[in-house]
Amino acid sequence: DAGVIQSPRHEVTEMGQEVTLRCKPISGHNSLFWYRQTMMRGLELLIYFNNNVPIDDSGMPEDRFSAKMPNASFSTLKIQPSEPRDSAVYFCASSLGWGYPNEKLFFGSGTQLSVL
Amino acid sequence: DAKTTQPTSMDCAEGRAANLPCNHSTISGNEYVYWYRQIHSQGPQYIIHGLKNNETNEMASLIITEDRKSSTLILPHATLRDTAVYYCIVEGILTGGGNKLTFGTGTQLKVEL
Repeated sequence: DAGVIQSPRHEVTEMGQEVTLRCKPISGHNSLFWYRQTMMRGLELLIYFNNNVPIDDSGMPEDRFSAKMPNASFSTLKIQPSEPRDSAVYFCASSLGWGYPNEKLFFGSGTQLSVL
Repeated sequence: DAKTTQPTSMDCAEGRAANLPCNHSTISGNEYVYWYRQIHSQGPQYIIHGLKNNETNEMASLIITEDRKSSTLILPHATLRDTAVYYCIVEGILTGGGNKLTFGTGTQLKVEL
């Protein structure tokens, strides 16, 4: 298996622009997580899904952030409009999910987002 | 409040055992101890987890004290490639199963020649 695949690997955009980050979880995994990492705040959980349904989005910082999972093999994290303080590395992770309480999370390589 | 306390940084000589401590004095009975690591510019990687018994796998050993208030991750023969930030995480199981992980600041382990 190729693991969790994230795209793009790097994204540079200007303030005010819309940014869409993409994630393909490991086939057969039912839970998907979006994390953000900055030097100041470390790794923060933004939102997670189980069976394509958002379970907890309390970590989403503002209404400018939205996440979707239209099917079991694809998720997006959108920022509209983007701001310089959104600059961070965004990680997607997946796990087998519900019914597997001790399952490990598999992380993608991340998307380095820079908002100028 | 953070559930775990870890030293900010540690050094280890290559080939020696690396012992990474973690304090979790407020751990509750249904919470597990997880260890992940993050090598520079990569996503976090699962290492091991346990509830109350000591655990061992191909990567490491996890020693949990009898009162479960602290634990130690042991890398038996550290190599330069083990240089990373190591996260100790305490989490319970969500209603209906599954889990989510809350990462702290971790321990920066530097393995040197």
